[in-house]
Amino acid sequence: QVQLKESGPGLVQPSETLSLTCTVSGFSLTSYGVNWVRQPPGKGLEWMGTIWNDGSTDYNSALKSRLSISRDTSKSQVFLKMNSLQTEDTAIYLCADSGGGYWGQGVMVTVSS
Amino acid sequence: DVVLTQTPPTLSATIGQSVSISCRSSQSLLDSDGDTYLNWLLQRPGQSPQLLIYSVSNLESGVPNRFSGSGSETDFTLKISGVEAEDLGVYYCMQATHAPLTFGSGTKLEIK
Repeated sequence: QVQLKESGPGLVQPSETLSLTCTVSGFSLTSYGVNWVRQPPGKGLEWMGTIWNDGSTDYNSALKSRLSISRDTSKSQVFLKMNSLQTEDTAIYLCADSGGGYWGQGVMVTVSS
Repeated sequence: DVVLTQTPPTLSATIGQSVSISCRSSQSLLDSDGDTYLNWLLQRPGQSPQLLIYSVSNLESGVPNRFSGSGSETDFTLKISGVEAEDLGVYYCMQATHAPLTFGSGTKLEIK
């Protein structure tokens, strides 16, 4: 069945770069896209960006200058990198399939010194 | 981007009560392929969102049939016919017709 799982550090220093991995199973990255979504504590869901099945990407305009999404299709992995982190980037980071029907369990990232 | 306006922001219900949540879109969610990609998600406390309803009215496998979805174009409704204790959490509508994905602001369901 379709599964997505996020992994990465739980604590990042301010101004540093966040690197997260979403490992998928049950579908091919060359057939379906993957979204990154984040959720600050106690708040709603914010779309960050998408990598489509053809490898093209779209980014939230508010994050575009800091955000990069890439993939390794042979490993069924999608990568998120976001630089210049600040405390307001503290959130649960989730990956989901392109239609938003399947979600990972999320990874809590705290930006703090 | 498509704006989804979800109401009410909170709901307080007793066990067995029926409730509805509204989701209105700033533009039609009818895709050129004829489908309408409006989903309903439930986020239970401490968990990631899970899919309840896809394409307006299709019940995801394993979801109890007390959940139902309806609507078209720009107006959509999620109904729970007989709330149970396990239904507490935050409900989100989301659309995947127009890139990027967008979400409603959520409806928190509390059990009295």
